[in-house]
Amino acid sequence: GENVEQHPSTLSVQEGDSAVIKCTYSDSASNYFPWYKQELGKGPQLIIDIRSNVGEKKDQRIAVTLNKTAKHFSLHITETQPEDSAVYFCAATPRAGGGADGLTFGKGTHLIIQP
Amino acid sequence: DVKVTQSSRYLVKRTGEKVFLECVQDMDHENMFWYRQDPGLGLRLIYFSYDVKMKEKGDIPEGYSVSREKKERFSLILESASTNQTSMYLCATVAGGYYEQYFGPGTRLTVT
Repeated sequence: GENVEQHPSTLSVQEGDSAVIKCTYSDSASNYFPWYKQELGKGPQLIIDIRSNVGEKKDQRIAVTLNKTAKHFSLHITETQPEDSAVYFCAATPRAGGGADGLTFGKGTHLIIQP
Repeated sequence: DVKVTQSSRYLVKRTGEKVFLECVQDMDHENMFWYRQDPGLGLRLIYFSYDVKMKEKGDIPEGYSVSREKKERFSLILESASTNQTSMYLCATVAGGYYEQYFGPGTRLTVT
């Protein structure tokens, strides 16, 4: 089955700096790569996603890049703010069935924004 | 807005008890999922369902079963709870033909 590795497990950055979280996946059939943000006491919330026919996608301060050849994708957050502090998860589809077949998640990155 | 609700935020049960965790969604989504979340392990898929009365095993189904009698409701059942099932349980839904999963707030289950 699919295996998703996520690094780093903890990331501390100064407010205003950029943060980058990286993930690799194993199944070349995976075609959907979402990123979720989980705040304390809440369920994960989708913040951005990318499909295998796109190399990069941007939404205001966040962007995701995908390299299908190398099987890795990354989350970039620019101009970080205190409210960006949370746990971030990457995920991939284990099969070509898309979201209907469930997601395989990375182990998460605890992002800490230092004032 | 999609709303996914879970029956309890916190639950404490004894070893050997039968436990029911319930998830309800209000968006008429076909697909529903149960994950468990453990520190350092991320989220792992337990079971999912494409439609009423249908179920599929995820990556870690052992010790669990599910029930989907109505489209909006998906229940996770621990037939005989054990301490290693102490965890955060998250329900999610997605509309048929789409990809985005919407999560509930989670149920933190403690088995003593």
